[in-house]
Amino acid sequence: EPEVTQTPSHQVTQMGQEVILRCVPISNHLYFYWYRQILGQKVEFLVSFYNNEISEKSEIFDDQFSVERPDGSNFTLKIRSTKLEDSAMYFCASMSQGYNEQFFGPGTRLTVL
Amino acid sequence: GENVEQHPSTLSVQEGDSAVIKCTYSDSASNYFPWYKQELGKGPQLIIDIRSNVGEKKDQRIAVTLNKTAKHFSLHITETQPEDSAVYFCAASSGSGNTGKLIFGQGTTLQVKP
Repeated sequence: EPEVTQTPSHQVTQMGQEVILRCVPISNHLYFYWYRQILGQKVEFLVSFYNNEISEKSEIFDDQFSVERPDGSNFTLKIRSTKLEDSAMYFCASMSQGYNEQFFGPGTRLTVL
Repeated sequence: GENVEQHPSTLSVQEGDSAVIKCTYSDSASNYFPWYKQELGKGPQLIIDIRSNVGEKKDQRIAVTLNKTAKHFSLHITETQPEDSAVYFCAASSGSGNTGKLIFGQGTTLQVKP
């Protein structure tokens, strides 16, 4: 069964460093998302991406965040200068055209020291 | 703004009993309501969903009901088993703008005691 994959599974970084989280969505999906989950809290929407551009972003998704689909298969989330409060689990999700079902990846645990 | 409230935050039942988790949503434009199960260290897995043109949907031991007037939807698990133990999240999505953004509830930790 097709699935969303994410790498790395765990990323440790120093405050102020840049990180790139990578996702490979399900191959025929056209809508892509990033969510985050701070330990013990709800899953929060960050950004949605369709037709090679951001379609919606939350207040969390400030200028430090960016997304890219560089090669037609990967979907990346970049945090330019990480803060301690960016420590969270980051989930990528994808959705096919015409349906609402979002399929989530296993997540990347980001730890900012 | 858009919000989804979920109750209870924790739920403990005996194996074989039923479990009910309830959610309310604020955005009247919401038209899609999925439920996700999250096991420790894993991503959310879709277990059932319902669209706003339907009042109830059932899949084996799992059912979801939707009351659009009250902006309320619920997950019902019957004949619970220990492997049902996990965190369950409800979510709502609005068709507005067709971005598919999901707004999640706070989650319910379900413990099924053998």
